[in-house]
Amino acid sequence: RKEVEQDPGPFNVPEGATVAFNCTYSNSASQSFFWYRQDCRKEPKLLMSVYSSGNEDGRFTAQLNRASQYISLLIRDSKLSDSATYLCVVNTPSGGSYIPTFGRGTSLIVHP
Amino acid sequence: NAGVMQNPRHLVRRRGQEARLRCSPMKGHSHVYWYRQLPEEGLKFMVYLQKENIIDESGMPKERFSAEFPKEGPSILRIQQVVRGDSAAYFCASSPGQGNQPQHFGDGTRLSIL
Repeated sequence: RKEVEQDPGPFNVPEGATVAFNCTYSNSASQSFFWYRQDCRKEPKLLMSVYSSGNEDGRFTAQLNRASQYISLLIRDSKLSDSATYLCVVNTPSGGSYIPTFGRGTSLIVHP
Repeated sequence: NAGVMQNPRHLVRRRGQEARLRCSPMKGHSHVYWYRQLPEEGLKFMVYLQKENIIDESGMPKERFSAEFPKEGPSILRIQQVVRGDSAAYFCASSPGQGNQPQHFGDGTRLSIL
C-alpha cells in the first residue's frame, strides 16, 4: 500500500461546479498535511495547510480526518484557472525526522 | 526574488557525464529537500539536508547520486555518469524547520540526457 494515495482523475467539471478530492495516508503517526497545486510540470505551489478543525481560504476548504486517515480539498465555484494537478502532502515519520511524502496528484480540468 | 533559486533551469548532458544541480533556499530557511519528477509521475523524495548535514537520504539511489549543503553556498545535487533514465525534472524545496511548516519550491532543473 502506498503511503499517500490520491485518485489521479481527471476530474472534468464545468465552471461554477463544486468539486472535492480526497487523499488517504497509511502512517497514523504522520503530522502536518498540505495541499499544493502544480501546473503543467511547473513547480508545486502551496495552496493551503490542513488542520483537524478544518480551514477555509476563499473558495477552498481543507479538512483532516485523523481517525480515518484522510484529508480532503473542496473547491467551490470552480474557475477555468483552477485547472491543475492537486498534490496532497503528508509529513511522514522516517528515522528521527519527518519527510514530506507526496501523492501522485489529482488532475482537475475546468471547462467553460 | 527571495524565493528558492535553482539553476540551471535546463541542463543537457551526454551519457557518462556529470550533472550538478544547485539550489539556494529562501532566506532564513535552513532545511532543503530534493525531489525528482519523471514524466507523467509524481514527485519522489530524494534527500533532506540541513546545513552541513544529510538528515535523510532514503530516497536517493546509492550509486552515482550525492548531495551536500555546505555551510556557505547553495545545496548541490550531483549525478555522476548520467544515464538516459536520469532525465527528469529535479525540484528543490526549502523550509525554515521541521514540524508543521510547509515547503516552498524552486522552479526546478530539467535534466535531459542525450
